Amino acid sequence: AQSVTQLGSHVSVSEGALVLLRCNYSSSVPPYLFWYVQYPNQGLQLLLKYTSAATLVKGINGFEAEFKKSETSFHLTKPSAHMSDAAEYFCAVSSTGGAGGTSYGKLTFGQGTILTVHP
Amino acid sequence: GAGVSQTPSNKVTEKGKYVELRCDPISGHTALYWYRQSLGQGPEFLIYFQGTGAADDSGLPNDRFFAVRPEGSVSTLKIQRTERGDSAVYLCASSLTGPSYEQYFGPGTRLTVT
Repeated sequence: AQSVTQLGSHVSVSEGALVLLRCNYSSSVPPYLFWYVQYPNQGLQLLLKYTSAATLVKGINGFEAEFKKSETSFHLTKPSAHMSDAAEYFCAVSSTGGAGGTSYGKLTFGQGTILTVHP
Repeated sequence: GAGVSQTPSNKVTEKGKYVELRCDPISGHTALYWYRQSLGQGPEFLIYFQGTGAADDSGLPNDRFFAVRPEGSVSTLKIQRTERGDSAVYLCASSLTGPSYEQYFGPGTRLTVT
């Protein structure tokens, strides 16, 4: 079974400071990894995804993440936090499966990390 | 284009009642997923549709939960004899078929069972 662990349920940074949100995964096969962001009372929005093309993945709003197989990690970073980055962030791993040779992506999410940005 | 829509946005029901939650996926997306998000938790998988068929319903908690997608587009999640523990946000997502494709999420339906 696949699983995702996000270290730190709450992270607080100052505006302009580095953002680092940690994610570790377990998977028996090469994974597809995703970071989603959820603003209050809104649906999940994809920030970026890793699909084995490149280990350093750049996403929207200045976020990026690096896939490290040896550490089974996919940490999310942003060099300079903005007030608008305050939200909850979820790391997820996509598992393959399906009968008859089909393949699909059932997402397993971490517990989420709430990012607070203060002036 | 239009994203994934879910109705109602909020639903309050009494314990023991039946509820239906609706999901309209993005046009052309053959894959549709339902997830449940409890307070303070990440979303948890419930069921996956490929076209009209439920290809994986391993996440449904018990037989009170059922979902359909009769024409391969709109899906309805049905909960019988609701319990207070069913209170959560129910999320629907759609995508192209395959594990590397982004899932587009709807805003969710917040279900409260009193």
